Amino acid sequence: DTGVSQDPRHKITKRGQNVTFRCDPISEHNRLYWYRQTLGQGPEFLTYFQNEAQLEKSRLLSDRFSAERPKGSFSTLEIQRTEQGDSAMYLCASSLVYGELFFGEGSRLTVL
Amino acid sequence: KQEVTQIPAALSVPEGENLVLNCSFTDSAIYNLQWFRQDPGKGLTSLLLIQSSQREQTSGRLNASLDKSSGRSTLYIAASQPGDSATYLCAVSRGSNYKLTFGKGTLLTVNP
Repeated sequence: DTGVSQDPRHKITKRGQNVTFRCDPISEHNRLYWYRQTLGQGPEFLTYFQNEAQLEKSRLLSDRFSAERPKGSFSTLEIQRTEQGDSAMYLCASSLVYGELFFGEGSRLTVL
Repeated sequence: KQEVTQIPAALSVPEGENLVLNCSFTDSAIYNLQWFRQDPGKGLTSLLLIQSSQREQTSGRLNASLDKSSGRSTLYIAASQPGDSATYLCAVSRGSNYKLTFGKGTLLTVNP
C-alpha cells in the first residue's frame, strides 16, 4: 500500500498520560499535515511541514502538543498530559507542493 | 476568518436519483477547493480538486462546480448508488500552503 499510513488506529488512554501518533506519508510527498476532527465536525488544521521544517502551527496546538518530522520522512504527533477534550480523530495528510492532499485513515484518541 | 457552510446537513435519497450537495465560503480569495468523502470512522478520500481559475471538474458520476466570486461550489452526483452513502466534505485553501478550512459535511444516505 503506497498511501498515507497512521499508527495506531485507535488509542485509549487515561487522563494525564502521554500519547504519540505516527504518520508515514506517501514517499515522494514533501508536505505533511496534521488535522484534528471531533464528532460531527469537519477536520481542523493543526500544523504542517515542508520537508523537515514545521512551517505553521494552529492556535489549537497548545503547549502540550508537539509535532516533529525528522529528516523529512515520517512524522510524530505527541500529546502530553492528555485531557478529555483531546479525544478526537487525528488525521495526517501529505502532498506535493501545490498538489492534492491525500489523507490517512486517522488515529482515534479516547481519553478516559 | 474563512467559514465554510454545507447544506443540507443530511440527505436521504432513493437509489438512482441525481443529487446536488452545496458548499459556500465567506472569503472568495481561495487558492482551490476540494471535495472529500468520509466513511464512518475512516479517513478522508479526495474526490475532486478545483483550482481557483477553474469552473468545474468531473470524475465519473461526479461533477463539481466552482463560482469563486459568489463563494459557492456544488457537487453533483449522478445516478446515486447505495455505495455512495457517506459524509461529503468541502474544503477551501487560501494561498499555496494548503491549509484547508472544512465545512461540517453533508451526510448522504442512498436507499436501495
